[in-house]
Formats: sequence, C-alpha cells, structure tokens
Amino acid sequence: DADVTQTPRNRITKTGKRIMLECSQTKGHDRMYWYRQDPGLGLRLIYYSFDVKDINKGEISDGYSVSRQAQAKFSLSLESAIPNQTALYFCATSDFAGHEQYFGPGTRLTVT
Amino acid sequence: AQSVTQLGSHVSVSEGALVLLRCNYSSSVPPYLFWYVQYPNQGLQLLLKYTTGATLVKGINGFEAEFKKSETSFHLTKPSAHMSDAAEYFCAVSESGGSYIPTFGRGTSLIVHP
Repeated sequence: DADVTQTPRNRITKTGKRIMLECSQTKGHDRMYWYRQDPGLGLRLIYYSFDVKDINKGEISDGYSVSRQAQAKFSLSLESAIPNQTALYFCATSDFAGHEQYFGPGTRLTVT
Repeated sequence: AQSVTQLGSHVSVSEGALVLLRCNYSSSVPPYLFWYVQYPNQGLQLLLKYTTGATLVKGINGFEAEFKKSETSFHLTKPSAHMSDAAEYFCAVSESGGSYIPTFGRGTSLIVHP
C-alpha cells in the first residue's frame, strides 16, 4: 500500500462550490504539506503543518483552508472554488529533520 | 531567503546521450539540495539529495549530481539517457538549521528521442 494517499484522484466541480481534498499517510511523520502544481510554475506551497496543533500558511494560501484531523490526516478545502484553482494538488510528508519529502499521487482538480 | 533556478524548461536528448539538467540555488545558510523526478500521472519521488559530506551524490537510475558551493550549482547528470528517463525533474533547496521547508524550481521536462 502507498505511504501517502490522496482522495479523490480526479475531481471536476463548478465555480462557487465547496470542495475538500483529503490526504492520509502511514509514514508516521509529523510534518505534512499541501502544494499545487501548474505547468511552468513548479510546485507552490499552500499550507503546511508541523504537528496536529501547528498549521501555517504557505506562499499561496488565499482561497484555501486546511484541517489537521490527526497526525496521519491533513485535508485541504476550497470554500468557493474558482476556475484559476484548476491545478494538480499534491500532499507531502516529511520527518522532523526535513531531509526529504514523500509525495502522494496527486489530485487533478478542474473548476468549470 | 532561498530560491532555485532551473535553466531550461525543456531538454531534449537522444537515447544513449549525456543528460545534463541545470540547477542553481540561492541560500543564506548551508543548503540541503534535492532532485525529484515526476513520471506522467504520478507524484514526485526523490532522485538524490545532498545534505552534508561528499559533494558528488549518486542517486537512483544512474543519476548523479555535484554540489559546487563556489558556483551555487547542483546540476544533475546521467552518462547515457534511456527512454524511461523521460519525465519532469525538479530541483529543490532547503536551509539547514531552519524550518527545512523546501523551495522548488519550476521543473525541467526531459524528452528522450529514440
């Protein structure tokens, strides 16, 4: 089984809808991250969490919110989706020393 | 502050030719440097990393990279490209002793021709 899983893998939604992307990990890591990937822009950090009680905004947090339900679960919400949030979203984890990140398979989100 | 520049959004090579993907970084403290690979429809996976010690780092699938502090570079190489190397490659930097949150480059798409 994969160490980092994301659901759903693909989602099409309409402008204005609320949507939640979920991430679970079995790595036992405290640190979890949400990124979005856009062609030509690489990965940009949306939110990160160093433990269940610690949540921090990243580079592009506007329009997004997160919830750390447990050490193993970190969800990303779009309260009111807009078309420019169409992107590939990745969840990642790392240990406390941050030597490397482990990525989920991604969620392809399309907002029409 | 840290940043990464990957020179070339696309690199095209013939099968069997040398692969060279360029990465330059900026960091105010000794950096940790990473190369990740993303195959189509997959997440990123670590190819290799430099934290401390030997500056020539070997990774999976025959790739290696050399940390050159004087040039602030961490270029990725492979002596002989294989069709299966076609993928997106990302360089990343994080600052040792800090939060360790990496900054990623914009990626380089490697195209391998038969």
